[in-house]
Amino acid sequence: AQSVAQPEDQVNVAEGNPLTVKCTYSVSGNPYLFWYVQYPNRGLQFLLKYITGDNLVKGSYGFEAEFNKSQTSFHLKKPSALVSDSALYFCAVRKDSSYKLIFGSGTRLLVRP
Amino acid sequence: NAGVTQTPKFRVLKTGQSMTLLCAQDMNHEYMYWYRQDPGMGLRLIHYSVGEGTTAKGEVPDGYNVSRLKKQNFLLGLESAAPSQTSVYFCASSRTGGEAFFGQGTRLTVV
Repeated sequence: AQSVAQPEDQVNVAEGNPLTVKCTYSVSGNPYLFWYVQYPNRGLQFLLKYITGDNLVKGSYGFEAEFNKSQTSFHLKKPSALVSDSALYFCAVRKDSSYKLIFGSGTRLLVRP
Repeated sequence: NAGVTQTPKFRVLKTGQSMTLLCAQDMNHEYMYWYRQDPGMGLRLIHYSVGEGTTAKGEVPDGYNVSRLKKQNFLLGLESAAPSQTSVYFCASSRTGGEAFFGQGTRLTVV
């Protein structure tokens, strides 16, 4: 079975500070990992993905994520937060190249000026 | 390029009524998905399809049916709507192993 955990309902950070949004996963086999962002009353937008290769993945809007196989984690990071980064962030996992795509419960990021 | 289009965007149903949500994608993707989003629950997978003519159950399939008669369309049906099905429904599509592209959502209220 696949599962994704986002242990923080909300993350608060000051503008200009680094941010981390946590994600851990459980899947048998090779995981395909994704991060999405959702702005109010909008659909989900793709940020970045890890399939294979370098453990540090760079994505849209200055975000990056680090895949850690031993800790089964895929945390989202950004060196310097912007107020406009405030949104709902979702981590997702798929087993190998097929199978269903499962999402975590989401983490609300609030960046204060 | 329209991407993933969902219709309708809003709907109010009475308990017991039926309806069909339509999802269309123009990216020639093999995989299509239906999710529901509820506060504090994230996105939960209702049904998905790995190709034309195929469907499979996700995490919360009860009370819903789906069909994928054409590769570009994925229909979600509610045969007898219940208040517990009040939610925001998202359709998505992807190529094999790729990221999913989402529609803008359908806000459904069952009274």
